[in-house]
Amino acid sequence: DIVMTQSPATLSVSPGERATLSCRASQTISNFLAWYQQKPGQAPRLLISGASTRATGVPARFRGSGSGTEFTLSISSLQSEDFAIYYCQQYNNWPLTFGGGTKVEIK
Amino acid sequence: EVHLENSGGGLVQPGGSLRLSCVASGFTFDDHALHWVRQVPGKGLQWVAGITWNGGVEGYADSVKGRFSISRDNANNSLHLQMNSLASEDTALYYCVKDRYASDFKWFDSWGQGTLVTVSS
Repeated sequence: DIVMTQSPATLSVSPGERATLSCRASQTISNFLAWYQQKPGQAPRLLISGASTRATGVPARFRGSGSGTEFTLSISSLQSEDFAIYYCQQYNNWPLTFGGGTKVEIK
Repeated sequence: EVHLENSGGGLVQPGGSLRLSCVASGFTFDDHALHWVRQVPGKGLQWVAGITWNGGVEGYADSVKGRFSISRDNANNSLHLQMNSLASEDTALYYCVKDRYASDFKWFDSWGQGTLVTVSS
């Protein structure tokens, strides 16, 4: 199975600042990577697929990048609604696997 | 608007069985693969099982293979997960999830609200 490792586990950021989240795959997955956002009490929401393509309605301040084994989700100028847990997911191989998540909290 | 209505969760004893269901609306049901993804409260996400648009291909996580069975009824826009030989490790919130594609397992573009399964004596 492909192991997805996210770092850091928790990121403390002030509103208006930039957040950079990392996701590493245990083997190359090309650009077969998605990012999700989950807020308390809610189901996850798709943000990005294909490592860098934003889903419908996702603000431009969310930017995904990377390929191979190293991926990044950047959130420029954090808004109050962006404080949440973010998960990456690979779909290069079965079983589909998720990272452990990064919690973005208010500093 | 896509809507995935989960049901069937509850409390079950170890070794017992449960059948989860999901009724979908707001999209062309047989244009998409579907999945079950679970989450232990306060923990991360785990893909459990997936099925292609016509039921031709099924996939399972190793932890549930041989115990869980995914199925779909395209005539009634419904997805099911038959869970047998349940163990405490299966306790989680189970989400019905829509794949972007029909014939392969890719990413999840819509999620249901989840149904809680608790395995306990």
